[in-house]
Amino acid sequence: DGGITQSPKYLFRKEGQNVTLSCEQNLNHDAMYWYRQDPGQGLRLIYYSQIVNDFQKGDIAEGYSVSREKKESFPLTVTSAQKNPTAFYLCASSIGHQAGTQYFGPGTRLLVL
Amino acid sequence: KQEVTQIPAALSVPEGENLVLNCSFTDSAIYNLQWFRQDPGKGLTSLLLIQSSQREQTSGRLNASLDKSSGRSTLYIAASQPGDSATYLCAVRPVGTSYDKVIFGPGTSLSVIP
Repeated sequence: DGGITQSPKYLFRKEGQNVTLSCEQNLNHDAMYWYRQDPGQGLRLIYYSQIVNDFQKGDIAEGYSVSREKKESFPLTVTSAQKNPTAFYLCASSIGHQAGTQYFGPGTRLLVL
Repeated sequence: KQEVTQIPAALSVPEGENLVLNCSFTDSAIYNLQWFRQDPGKGLTSLLLIQSSQREQTSGRLNASLDKSSGRSTLYIAASQPGDSATYLCAVRPVGTSYDKVIFGPGTSLSVIP
């Protein structure tokens, strides 16, 4: 089955701790994205990557970091610099090259202890 | 700057009613508009995608229209069912970006009461 997986489903962060959210896709898509969703708001873009070993900041990149070492994987690290990390995080992928719609993973909910 | 709004923020209807969800966007320079469904605590599922040259798209009980010049789209749901209860988001792809950029509205939370 082709698709996007995210893990874990729930993640708890202690103050001052960095945590990493996993996103994997087997759709052979070039482009991948991370969004943050807060209650009553639309999705806001954190980072995106159009190709392996390249990524760009989105609208709210401060306090987050990413890597794209493999085509299938685009992990997101929420650093201690992100002061309000509690949110629902969604990963997406698309064919890229302005050609396709985005497909979404099931999401990870991050909570602060 | 492109902005997407959705009205109402929440809607509650009895089962069997036909209903309309509204989406507005400020810049008509778009490649397409897409409607998504999101169940609580889940990811987004694409429902309908309308290219900028199209006026509407249909899938089963769903019909989406696009009036690009006025910056509006509607999602019509016929004969609503409790299983339609979810949040519905619209999103536009603006012209002039180097990647598959999508701008989302805040969503309309729909409850269909049995």
